[in-house]
Formats: sequence, structure tokens, C-alpha cells
Amino acid sequence: RKEVEQDPGPFNVPEGATVAFNCTYSNSASQSFFWYRQDCRKEPKLLMSVYSSGNEDGRFTAQLNRASQYISLLIRDSKLSDSATYLCVVNPGAGTALIFGKGTTLSVSS
Amino acid sequence: EAGVAQSPRYKIIEKRQSVAFWCNPISGHATLYWYQQILGQGPKLLIQFQNNGVVDDSQLPKDRFSAERLKGVDSTLKIQPAKLEDSAVYLCASSLFAGDGNTIYFGEGSWLTVV
Repeated sequence: RKEVEQDPGPFNVPEGATVAFNCTYSNSASQSFFWYRQDCRKEPKLLMSVYSSGNEDGRFTAQLNRASQYISLLIRDSKLSDSATYLCVVNPGAGTALIFGKGTTLSVSS
Repeated sequence: EAGVAQSPRYKIIEKRQSVAFWCNPISGHATLYWYQQILGQGPKLLIQFQNNGVVDDSQLPKDRFSAERLKGVDSTLKIQPAKLEDSAVYLCASSLFAGDGNTIYFGEGSWLTVV
């Protein structure tokens, strides 16, 4: 089982749609969780951290379920500019490096 | 604030040749990482440094890859001899605190094509 698994995608949605990405992680001792965004041929950049209490930033909502080892990202009212690859990222322990999922590609069309 | 600098940006080499990539992290960041990202996949950690010491190199193919960070600042990643499957983007990143996704920043990457 891979350490971080994501929906394979790609997701092709029209502008204004709501889209949800799912992610599971294998290490129950993992400490912190993130969603990163990666544009085509660019480096990954932090989109948002994910907390057990949930985290909302404008149109983006991230949820964490530690019992199920499940992370989600919800994007409401999709914009053309949201087209990118979304990476689910886990920190398995203090001082250790981040582990990245394979990424899910989103394409928003007009 | 200057970001993570990497060079060269692009490199094409033949299999069995060698190549070296250079990284200058953000000033003050003690932790430096090299990730390999193959097309269509997420970044995979090759090596993590804390200052000039190695924290994790468990996924570094040590028969052909080597990395150093001699003075705890700049780092180089070398591949010798290269294989076709080494074609990837090599991302250098640095962070203020080890493993902190909130303070890690990536360079633009060094794109390697092995033919």
C-alpha cells in the first residue's frame, strides 16, 4: 500500500462547479497534513494546511479524519485559474520530510 | 526574500554520462531536501539534510546518486552514471523547521532528460 494515495483523476469540470478530492494515508502516526498546488511545469506550492477541526480558505475547504486516515479538499465555484494538479501531502513524524501523493489533475473549462 | 535557487534549469545527457545539480536554499533555512519528480507522479524524497548532516537518504540510489552539503548552505546532487529512468525534475527545497509543510519552499527545479 502506498503511503499517500489520491484519486487518479483527471477531473474535468465547468466553471462554477464544485469538485472534491480525496486522499488516504497509511501511517496512523502521521502528524500534519497539507494540500499543495502544482501548476504545469512549475514547483509545488502550499495551498493550505489541514486540521482535524477542518480548515476553510475562501472557496477551498480541507477536512481531516484521523480515524479513517482520510483527507479531503473541496473547491467551490471553480475558476479557470484553479486548473492545476493538487497534491495531498503528509508529514509522518517530527523532523521528517514531507511525503507527497501522486497528485490529481483538475481542468476547469469555460 | 530570495527563493530557492537551482541550476541548471535544463539538462540533456546521454545514458551513462554524469550530471550535477546545484541548489542554494533560502537564507537561514537549516533543512534542505532533494526530491525527484517523474512525469505524472508526485515528488519523491531523495535526501534530507539538517545543516550539513544527512537526516534521511533511504530512498537515494546510492550506487549512482550522491549529494553533499559541505558548509551547511549550498548543496549539489550528482548522478553518475545516468540511466534513462533518471529522466525527471529534480526539486530542491528548504524549510525553516524540518518537515514543516508551512515553511518549506521549492526551487523551480532542474529538468533532466536522459537519452
